[in-house]
Amino acid sequence: QKEVEQDPGPLSVPEGAIVSLNCTYSNSAFQYFMWYRQYSRKGPELLMYTYSSGNKEDGRFTAQVDKSSKYISLFIRDSQPSDSATYLCAILPLSGSARQLTFGSGTQLTVLP
Amino acid sequence: GAGVSQSPSNKVTEKGKDVELRCDPISGHTALYWYRQSLGQGLEFLIYFQGNSAPDKSGLPSDRFSAERTGGSVSTLTIQRTQQEDSAVYLCASSLAGYNEQFFGPGTRLTVL
Repeated sequence: QKEVEQDPGPLSVPEGAIVSLNCTYSNSAFQYFMWYRQYSRKGPELLMYTYSSGNKEDGRFTAQVDKSSKYISLFIRDSQPSDSATYLCAILPLSGSARQLTFGSGTQLTVLP
Repeated sequence: GAGVSQSPSNKVTEKGKDVELRCDPISGHTALYWYRQSLGQGLEFLIYFQGNSAPDKSGLPSDRFSAERTGGSVSTLTIQRTQQEDSAVYLCASSLAGYNEQFFGPGTRLTVL
């Protein structure tokens, strides 16, 4: 079992739709959660970062964490064609020397105009 | 301000040749990471540098891979005797000491023929 599981999609939605992207993780030592957006042939771009259970909102984006079920989500409201990209969840342990991110496999999203 | 830069953006080489990939982190970022992104494996950690501490090499796939960081800034990832399975996008990221957010460069796309 991978440490982080993410539905690879692809996911295709019409413009204006609400998008839900999800990941599950297996190790409760993971305590920091990030979402990256990656456009084709570009490096990942940090979208959201959170460390507590609950919701964190930034514009049209909401990151949700449920540590009890080891489930993290990214919601995109009023999706736009410019949101078409691959979305990667990434997690970090709370402490220790290991500082490398563990990534999900990424979900490819297409928003149709 | 400048982000993480990587060079070259693309590299095509023949099997058995050595390659060097360069990363220039964000100014002031003391932590530097190398990751590899390939179709079958997703985004995988390779090596992590933090200041003057010994690097965390736990993600390097074989002894053909090595990396160094000179003067606490620029880093070079070297792959010796390249194999076709080394074909991937090599991504560099940096972060401030004590911060979890990692910022990625555009990557170097390596193709081994």
